[in-house]
Amino acid sequence: GIQVEQSPPDLILQEGANSTLRCNFSDSVNNLQWFHQNPWGQLINLFYIPSGTKQNGRLSATTVATERYSLLYISSSQTTDSGVYFCAVVEGDTGRRALTFGSGTRLQVQP
Amino acid sequence: DARVTQTPRHKVTEMGQEVTMRCQPILGHNTVFWYRQTMMQGLELLAYFRNRAPLDDSGMPKDRFSAEMPDATLATLKIQPSEPRDSAVYFCASGLVLGGPNTEAFFGQGTRLTVV
Repeated sequence: GIQVEQSPPDLILQEGANSTLRCNFSDSVNNLQWFHQNPWGQLINLFYIPSGTKQNGRLSATTVATERYSLLYISSSQTTDSGVYFCAVVEGDTGRRALTFGSGTRLQVQP
Repeated sequence: DARVTQTPRHKVTEMGQEVTMRCQPILGHNTVFWYRQTMMQGLELLAYFRNRAPLDDSGMPKDRFSAEMPDATLATLKIQPSEPRDSAVYFCASGLVLGGPNTEAFFGQGTRLTVV
């Protein structure tokens, strides 16, 4: 099946700093989503972005499907951004239409 | 507001007991997914349904786990008998899959299961 790798695994930032999280995937995809798992365990949808660029406030994401990667940008980070960020994809060429998750990037934003 | 609802939110049970987790998908979604999250394995797919029919349950231990959709508004995941290694957070998600790419999937708040 498809492999999803996220980097870095851990990230510590000071409040106000910017960061870029990366997601590489091993095969073509027909869906890519970014999630934030907050300290209470909720999986919050950030972006549905199988290709192109989207922005939502301080967050933006870019997926280059032909090169099999996606980036999540966090600008002016806040302590509430802390948690784990997951990238998840649906393989494009198989019948399996369920999200496969990466192992996540654990972000800690310090005041 | 439209959201996936899971019950119970927390469950502590003794080894050997039956556990049933329930999920109400978002109205109009035709695909329901069950995932399990552990520290060691991360988020892994257990099973998923489309239009109430099971499409893939290869991630489930067949001898003790079962998943069903009695109707379009209810999905269930049962473990019988439960074991300590089943302790995890179980998530349900729903989405809409038609002929083209999957649309966005949304997750419930999860059921935190502890088997002692």
